Amino acid sequence: SQQGEEDPQALSIQEGENATMNCSYKTSINNLQWYRQNSGRGLVHLILIRSNEREKHSGRLRVTLDTSKKSSSLLITASRAADTASYFCASDNYGQNFVFGPGTRLSVLP
Amino acid sequence: ETGVTQSPTHLIKTRGQQVTLRCSSQSGHNTVSWYQQALGQGPQFIFQYYREEENGRGNFPPRFSGLQFPNYSSELNVNALELDDSALYLCASSRWDSYNEQFFGPGTRLTVL
Repeated sequence: SQQGEEDPQALSIQEGENATMNCSYKTSINNLQWYRQNSGRGLVHLILIRSNEREKHSGRLRVTLDTSKKSSSLLITASRAADTASYFCASDNYGQNFVFGPGTRLSVLP
Repeated sequence: ETGVTQSPTHLIKTRGQQVTLRCSSQSGHNTVSWYQQALGQGPQFIFQYYREEENGRGNFPPRFSGLQFPNYSSELNVNALELDDSALYLCASSRWDSYNEQFFGPGTRLTVL
């Protein structure tokens, strides 16, 4: 079974709007990462946040981590049609493998 | 795109058959992990290979097996295929000392009829 849960499962917004996706996990983690997947293809790494970090930025992406609530959020600002994809959080608990959530399907309408 | 390649891109098999999927890791990487992603779900960890040995395994039965070769490429073998094995199979390569930097290949789409 998967450790994490993403919320919402699906999100539809207009171009230029911001998109926020949330992720929860169940056990303590070392790092948490966010990935993007286009149409069932390979995963593209977006950003990594370490357990001792609370917020991280990369371009139009902003990730927060709240270890007390075992949750993370991914904010995409000024969304574009090209941002349409599925987004997954993946946590590692000091092991050698990632535990992925079920993902959020984002649709950005032109 | 990452330097991780997978073959074949698509594959159709029938129930009970056996299948072998292949993965070439990115240059400089010595660790390969395999994941199964069912439709509409997140990837699930199958196992990882390092120094040609299995190093960690998820909740998958023994009919899922693998190999890693001296050039760090890897194979995933699935015996006695079941309908539920239909999925996208992803491999990811990394350096052992930087395991959290995993680079994923494009995947192999397996359909079991």
